[in-house]
Amino acid sequence: NAGVTQTPKFRILKIGQSMTLQCAQDMNHNYMYWYRQDPGMGLKLIYYSVGAGITDKGEVPNGYNVSRSTTEDFPLRLELAAPSQTSVYFCASSYASLQEETQYFGPGTRLLVL
Amino acid sequence: LAKTTQPISMDSYEGQEVNITCSHNNIATNDYITWYQQFPSQGPRFIIQGYKTKVTNEVASLFIPADRKSSTLSLPRVSLSDTAVYYCLVGDIGGVTGGGNKLTFGTGTQLKVEL
Repeated sequence: NAGVTQTPKFRILKIGQSMTLQCAQDMNHNYMYWYRQDPGMGLKLIYYSVGAGITDKGEVPNGYNVSRSTTEDFPLRLELAAPSQTSVYFCASSYASLQEETQYFGPGTRLLVL
Repeated sequence: LAKTTQPISMDSYEGQEVNITCSHNNIATNDYITWYQQFPSQGPRFIIQGYKTKVTNEVASLFIPADRKSSTLSLPRVSLSDTAVYYCLVGDIGGVTGGGNKLTFGTGTQLKVEL
Protein backbone atom coordinates (compact mmCIF):
# COMPACT_ATOMS: atom_id res chain seq x y z
CA ASN A 1 0.00 0.00 0.00
CA ALA A 2 1.21 3.50 -0.81
CA GLY A 3 -0.80 4.94 2.09
CA VAL A 4 -1.65 8.62 1.68
CA THR A 5 -0.07 10.37 -1.29
CA GLN A 6 -0.05 14.08 -2.03
CA THR A 7 0.88 16.04 -5.12
CA PRO A 8 2.62 18.34 -5.78
CA LYS A 9 5.35 18.37 -3.13
CA PHE A 10 6.06 22.05 -3.62
CA ARG A 11 4.41 24.86 -5.54
CA ILE A 12 4.83 28.60 -5.95
CA LEU A 13 1.70 30.57 -6.81
CA LYS A 14 1.14 34.18 -7.67
CA ILE A 15 -1.54 36.12 -5.82
CA GLY A 16 -4.93 35.46 -7.38
CA GLN A 17 -3.97 32.22 -9.09
CA SER A 18 -5.82 29.01 -8.39
CA MET A 19 -4.69 25.43 -7.93
CA THR A 20 -5.77 22.05 -6.70
CA LEU A 21 -3.83 20.04 -4.16
CA GLN A 22 -4.29 16.35 -4.79
CA CYS A 23 -4.69 13.71 -2.10
CA ALA A 24 -5.27 9.99 -2.52
CA GLN A 25 -5.35 7.02 -0.18
CA ASP A 26 -5.43 3.32 -0.97
CA MET A 27 -6.43 2.00 2.45
CA ASN A 28 -10.19 2.18 1.84
CA HIS A 29 -10.55 4.68 4.67
CA ASN A 30 -13.90 6.36 5.06
CA TYR A 31 -12.63 9.56 6.69
CA MET A 32 -10.30 12.06 5.05
CA TYR A 33 -8.95 15.40 6.27
CA TRP A 34 -7.08 18.47 5.11
CA TYR A 35 -4.85 20.40 7.51
CA ARG A 36 -2.55 23.36 7.15
CA GLN A 37 0.53 23.97 9.26
CA ASP A 38 2.16 27.36 9.52
CA PRO A 39 5.80 27.62 10.66
CA GLY A 40 6.26 26.70 14.32
CA MET A 41 2.58 26.03 14.79
CA GLY A 42 0.33 23.02 15.13
CA LEU A 43 -1.97 21.74 12.43
CA LYS A 44 -5.32 23.37 11.79
CA LEU A 45 -8.20 21.49 10.21
CA ILE A 46 -9.46 23.02 6.95
CA TYR A 47 -12.07 20.53 5.73
CA TYR A 48 -12.93 16.92 6.35
CA SER A 49 -15.06 14.19 4.81
CA VAL A 50 -16.74 11.20 6.42
CA GLY A 51 -17.39 9.47 3.12
CA ALA A 52 -17.83 9.95 -0.61
CA GLY A 53 -20.16 12.85 -1.33
CA ILE A 54 -20.01 14.21 2.24
CA THR A 55 -17.77 17.08 3.29
CA ASP A 56 -17.79 19.58 6.13
CA LYS A 57 -15.88 22.63 7.29
CA GLY A 58 -13.13 22.50 9.85
CA GLU A 59 -11.54 25.30 11.82
CA VAL A 60 -10.13 27.40 8.93
CA PRO A 61 -12.18 26.74 5.73
CA ASN A 62 -12.21 30.24 4.22
CA GLY A 63 -10.46 30.43 0.85
CA TYR A 64 -10.67 26.69 0.23
CA ASN A 65 -13.06 24.20 -1.30
CA VAL A 66 -13.14 20.42 -1.35
CA SER A 67 -14.96 17.59 -3.03
CA ARG A 68 -15.12 13.85 -2.38
CA SER A 69 -16.47 12.02 -5.41
CA THR A 70 -14.69 8.76 -4.57
CA THR A 71 -13.49 7.03 -1.41
CA GLU A 72 -9.88 7.31 -2.55
CA ASP A 73 -9.55 10.98 -3.54
CA PHE A 74 -10.00 14.21 -1.61
CA PRO A 75 -8.71 17.24 -3.57
CA LEU A 76 -8.36 20.68 -1.99
CA ARG A 77 -9.02 23.69 -4.21
CA LEU A 78 -7.61 27.19 -3.73
CA GLU A 79 -9.53 29.61 -5.93
CA LEU A 80 -7.80 32.97 -5.37
CA ALA A 81 -4.43 32.43 -3.75
CA ALA A 82 -3.40 34.91 -1.07
CA PRO A 83 -0.09 35.29 0.82
CA SER A 84 -1.89 34.16 3.99
CA GLN A 85 -2.29 30.74 2.39
CA THR A 86 1.46 30.19 2.34
CA SER A 87 1.76 27.06 4.44
CA VAL A 88 2.37 23.33 4.44
CA TYR A 89 -0.75 21.33 3.67
CA PHE A 90 -1.26 17.83 5.01
CA CYS A 91 -3.88 15.37 3.94
CA ALA A 92 -4.87 12.53 6.27
CA SER A 93 -7.20 9.56 6.26
CA SER A 94 -8.58 7.21 8.87
CA TYR A 95 -10.95 4.33 9.47
CA ALA A 96 -12.77 4.86 12.70
CA SER A 97 -14.14 2.05 14.77
CA LEU A 98 -15.70 2.08 18.20
CA GLN A 99 -12.35 1.09 19.68
CA GLU A 100 -9.87 3.44 18.07
CA GLU A 101 -9.06 5.79 15.27
CA THR A 102 -5.64 6.40 13.76
CA GLN A 103 -5.10 9.17 11.26
CA TYR A 104 -2.49 8.48 8.59
CA PHE A 105 -0.87 11.57 7.16
CA GLY A 106 0.60 12.24 3.75
CA PRO A 107 4.05 13.81 3.22
CA GLY A 108 2.63 17.29 2.75
CA THR A 109 2.53 19.96 0.05
CA ARG A 110 4.55 23.10 0.63
CA LEU A 111 2.82 26.13 -0.90
CA LEU A 112 4.33 29.57 -1.33
CA VAL A 113 2.11 32.43 -2.49
CA LEU A 114 3.92 35.50 -3.72
CA LEU B 1 -13.46 20.60 21.18
CA ALA B 2 -11.43 20.12 24.33
CA LYS B 3 -8.37 22.36 24.55
CA THR B 4 -5.06 20.86 25.57
CA THR B 5 -2.06 22.37 27.33
CA GLN B 6 1.38 20.82 27.21
CA PRO B 7 4.95 22.08 27.79
CA ILE B 8 6.50 23.92 24.87
CA SER B 9 9.79 22.05 25.09
CA MET B 10 11.67 19.35 26.99
CA ASP B 11 15.26 18.20 26.97
CA SER B 12 16.54 14.72 27.73
CA TYR B 13 19.50 12.43 27.26
CA GLU B 14 19.72 9.12 25.49
CA GLY B 15 18.60 6.18 27.58
CA GLN B 16 16.38 8.21 29.90
CA GLU B 17 12.65 7.86 30.32
CA VAL B 18 10.69 10.91 29.19
CA ASN B 19 7.26 11.81 30.50
CA ILE B 20 5.23 14.50 28.73
CA THR B 21 2.10 15.62 30.54
CA CYS B 22 -0.91 17.14 28.86
CA SER B 23 -3.82 18.82 30.59
CA HIS B 24 -7.34 18.74 29.15
CA ASN B 25 -9.68 20.02 31.84
CA ASN B 26 -12.82 20.14 29.70
CA ILE B 27 -12.56 16.69 28.17
CA ALA B 28 -15.95 15.29 27.21
CA THR B 29 -17.36 11.84 27.94
CA ASN B 30 -16.92 10.63 24.35
CA ASP B 31 -13.42 12.05 23.94
CA TYR B 32 -10.36 9.89 23.50
CA ILE B 33 -6.77 11.05 24.07
CA THR B 34 -4.33 10.59 21.23
CA TRP B 35 -0.66 11.39 20.87
CA TYR B 36 1.13 12.05 17.59
CA GLN B 37 4.81 12.52 16.76
CA GLN B 38 6.06 14.83 14.03
CA PHE B 39 9.54 15.07 12.54
CA PRO B 40 10.57 18.14 10.51
CA SER B 41 9.12 18.23 6.99
CA GLN B 42 6.94 15.18 7.64
CA GLY B 43 3.32 14.59 8.51
CA PRO B 44 2.40 13.59 12.07
CA ARG B 45 2.59 9.92 12.98
CA PHE B 46 0.25 8.17 15.42
CA ILE B 47 1.89 7.01 18.64
CA ILE B 48 -0.80 5.90 21.06
CA GLN B 49 -4.45 6.39 21.97
CA GLY B 50 -6.44 5.76 25.11
CA TYR B 51 -9.65 6.50 27.00
CA LYS B 52 -8.80 5.75 30.63
CA THR B 53 -6.24 4.06 32.91
CA LYS B 54 -3.12 2.83 31.14
CA VAL B 55 -2.37 1.89 27.57
CA THR B 56 0.93 0.44 26.39
CA ASN B 57 2.23 -0.42 22.97
CA GLU B 58 5.64 -1.19 21.52
CA VAL B 59 6.83 2.43 21.56
CA ALA B 60 5.11 4.21 24.47
CA SER B 61 2.76 4.13 27.42
CA LEU B 62 -0.14 6.43 28.10
CA PHE B 63 -1.29 7.07 31.65
CA ILE B 64 -4.74 8.58 32.21
CA PRO B 65 -6.02 9.27 35.74
CA ALA B 66 -9.58 8.55 36.79
CA ASP B 67 -10.79 12.14 36.26
CA ARG B 68 -9.26 12.15 32.74
CA LYS B 69 -8.35 15.83 33.04
CA SER B 70 -4.74 15.10 32.18
CA SER B 71 -2.65 12.41 30.56
CA THR B 72 1.03 11.50 30.44
CA LEU B 73 2.91 10.09 27.50
CA SER B 74 5.85 7.99 28.64
CA LEU B 75 8.72 7.21 26.26
CA PRO B 76 11.09 4.59 27.72
CA ARG B 77 14.81 4.89 27.05
CA VAL B 78 14.73 7.63 24.44
CA SER B 79 17.28 7.87 21.66
CA LEU B 80 18.42 10.69 19.39
CA SER B 81 15.82 9.61 16.83
CA ASP B 82 13.04 10.47 19.29
CA THR B 83 13.82 14.17 18.86
CA ALA B 84 10.55 15.49 17.46
CA VAL B 85 7.42 17.46 18.27
CA TYR B 86 4.80 15.54 20.27
CA TYR B 87 1.14 16.52 20.08
CA CYS B 88 -1.55 15.67 22.59
CA LEU B 89 -5.03 15.69 21.09
CA VAL B 90 -8.47 15.18 22.53
CA GLY B 91 -11.56 14.41 20.49
CA ASP B 92 -14.27 11.87 19.93
CA ILE B 93 -13.49 8.98 17.69
CA GLY B 94 -15.39 9.08 14.43
CA GLY B 95 -16.78 5.63 15.01
CA VAL B 96 -18.58 6.73 18.15
CA THR B 97 -20.39 9.74 16.80
CA GLY B 98 -20.05 9.11 13.09
CA GLY B 99 -19.02 12.69 12.59
CA GLY B 100 -15.34 12.33 11.96
CA ASN B 101 -12.56 13.01 14.41
CA LYS B 102 -12.05 16.76 14.18
CA LEU B 103 -8.69 16.91 15.84
CA THR B 104 -7.29 20.14 17.26
CA PHE B 105 -3.53 20.29 17.26
CA GLY B 106 -1.88 22.67 19.70
CA THR B 107 1.72 23.79 19.30
CA GLY B 108 2.97 20.52 20.77
CA THR B 109 6.04 19.74 22.86
CA GLN B 110 9.44 19.91 21.20
CA LEU B 111 11.48 17.07 22.66
CA LYS B 112 15.23 17.31 22.19
CA VAL B 113 17.32 14.25 23.01
CA GLU B 114 21.07 14.62 23.38
CA LEU B 115 23.93 12.21 23.86
